[in-house]
Amino acid sequence: GESVGLHLPTLSVQEGDNSIINCAYSNSASDYFIWYKQESGKGPQFIIDIRSNMDKRQGQRVTVLLNKTVKHLSLQIAATQPGDSAVYFCAVSYNTDKLIFGTGTRLQVFP
Amino acid sequence: SAVISQKPSRDICQRGTSLTIQCQVDSQVTMMFWYRQQPGQSLTLIATANQGSEATYESGFVIDKFPISRPNLTFSTLTVSNMSPEDSSIYLCSVEVEGRVGETQYFGPGTRLLVL
Repeated sequence: GESVGLHLPTLSVQEGDNSIINCAYSNSASDYFIWYKQESGKGPQFIIDIRSNMDKRQGQRVTVLLNKTVKHLSLQIAATQPGDSAVYFCAVSYNTDKLIFGTGTRLQVFP
Repeated sequence: SAVISQKPSRDICQRGTSLTIQCQVDSQVTMMFWYRQQPGQSLTLIATANQGSEATYESGFVIDKFPISRPNLTFSTLTVSNMSPEDSSIYLCSVEVEGRVGETQYFGPGTRLLVL
């Protein structure tokens, strides 16, 4: 099966700093990984995804890193802004349409 | 991506009653999913709803409690039947859309349900 965990339930960063949110997964055959952002009162919002044949992918101010050796996924947010405050979920799938979600990390940005 | 709407956005219901949640997407999609998110928790898949076939339920979820309809490629409903306070949750629908890297799921805004 698949279990997905996050290293820290809450991350507090100063505005302008870089944020790193981590996620560990258990199934080495997992082949697709997604990061979502969920603001209070809203549904999860797609941020960025990556396949198992990649180790890095960049978007606007975000980078996802995949380390298959240690089954670890991270989301890096550059120059964190107050609008980045939310709960971030990683989600993992293996050769299927089903996604297994991590427990979530709350990112708090303070001035 | 896809634009997804859900109705109602929130509701307060009495125990023993049922609520039907609607999910509408702005384009035709094959795969639609229903999730439950209990307060402060992560997302748990209830079932996968494909047009033209019976919904596929995950362990711990049954059709009698959560009947699902999928009449066409842009619409689905989830009914929460015979509700109890333990059903108080956010119910989310999602759709699968082909992206540049993989088949990504996009979520609706959710339906916030409180059962008294």
